[in-house]
Order: sequence, then C-alpha cells, then structure tokens
Amino acid sequence: DAKTTQPTSMDCAEGRAANLPCNHSTISGNEYVYWYRQIHSQGPQYIIHGLKNNETNEMASLIITEDRKSSTLILPHATLRDTAVYYCIVRAFSSNTGKLIFGQGTTLQVKP
Amino acid sequence: SQTIHQWPATLVQPVGSPLSLECTVEGTSNPNLYWYRQAAGRGLQLLFYSVGIGQISSEVPQNLSASRPQDRQFILSSKKLLLSDSGFYLCAWTLKGQGYTFGSGTRLTVV
Repeated sequence: DAKTTQPTSMDCAEGRAANLPCNHSTISGNEYVYWYRQIHSQGPQYIIHGLKNNETNEMASLIITEDRKSSTLILPHATLRDTAVYYCIVRAFSSNTGKLIFGQGTTLQVKP
Repeated sequence: SQTIHQWPATLVQPVGSPLSLECTVEGTSNPNLYWYRQAAGRGLQLLFYSVGIGQISSEVPQNLSASRPQDRQFILSSKKLLLSDSGFYLCAWTLKGQGYTFGSGTRLTVV
C-alpha cells in the first residue's frame, strides 16, 4: 500500500472550514484514499473514501487531485467535537487482507 | 445492523500474568478481523489480522498471539505480560472493499 504524508498538526476556528491535506504521490491505480479520525481515547471512526472523483457525505467532503497524488479532506463547519487525529490512508479496494496501515496523522485542534 | 463488542474496557494486570482479550462481531459473516495496539502518545500499530477461522497473520513479532476459534470471534492472548504490553488495544472488522469498524477498545496497564 502507498505511503501518505500529512502535516503533524493544524488549528481551525470553530464554524470555519477545516481543510486537511494529504500527499500520496506513489498511489497505484487500484488504490483508494480513506480518511479516518480518532477522538481521544476512542477507536478510529470512518469518515469517507474515494478513488478519483470528489466525494461528499454527511460528515465531510473529499477532494482528490486529477493526478491522484494528493487529496484534501474538508470539514465544512468545524465544531469543537471535530478535534481529533485525522488519518489519511491509501489501500487497494479489492485487497483480500484489507490491512489498514495508520501513519501519524494530523492532529486537528478546533478552537472557539 | 452490524456491531462489534470488545471487553473489558480497562484492565490492570501484573507483569508476568496471562492476558485474554475478546472481540466479537454481530450482524455479518466471514469478516476480516484485526487487532491494533496504540501505545501512549503513539500511533496505531497493526498486530494481527485474520481472513477466516483459524487463519492468523502476525504483523509484528512480539509477546502476543491471536486466535479465531469462530467466524465472528477474535481473541488476543499472552502467556506472560511485559510492561511494554501496556496500551490501548482495538479490535476492528471489515468486509472486502468496505470501511473498517472499530470497537471501543481495551486500555491495558501492566504494573
């Protein structure tokens, strides 16, 4: 599975959009981009995933560049409860083992 | 609906004692199952995964073992705990091509 690079930490004002970048320059054609987040002392929570088209759900939007070498997770109106570590992971959708390898992630601090 | 149960929530064990953590999944069949560990202030480390009954793959050689005696049951064990085994243990499941669902975790402190 391709490696990802994320900033170590970011701040965001409450009510504003939080844009979390991720670089995955070695991504393969069959690999999807997944985003998870982990709120302190809880298990990771699935947010969204995509292949090449932009995706949106009730939690967030995922913007993937045309060359697929980077992506951005957007939380449109960040709240204090969105303070968490956000993980960007790439892996093959059809992987039989489905191993999810976590990096260090981005610690997002939403401030009032 | 699918649910994942993990217990106990917290555990304090002396060095050298055995360990058994259990994870069960409901509402699905033949899931892939995973054990992760998160040491204090560190990232999530994949320990074991299983794609079927009796099939266990180890990611990191260590003092722990895993077993899958039933389709929806995954057990993490140790014969003798070390101080370095302390951490937050998470069980997760997925079906091929889908997202992961994590349990609520067990916080293990070895004293």
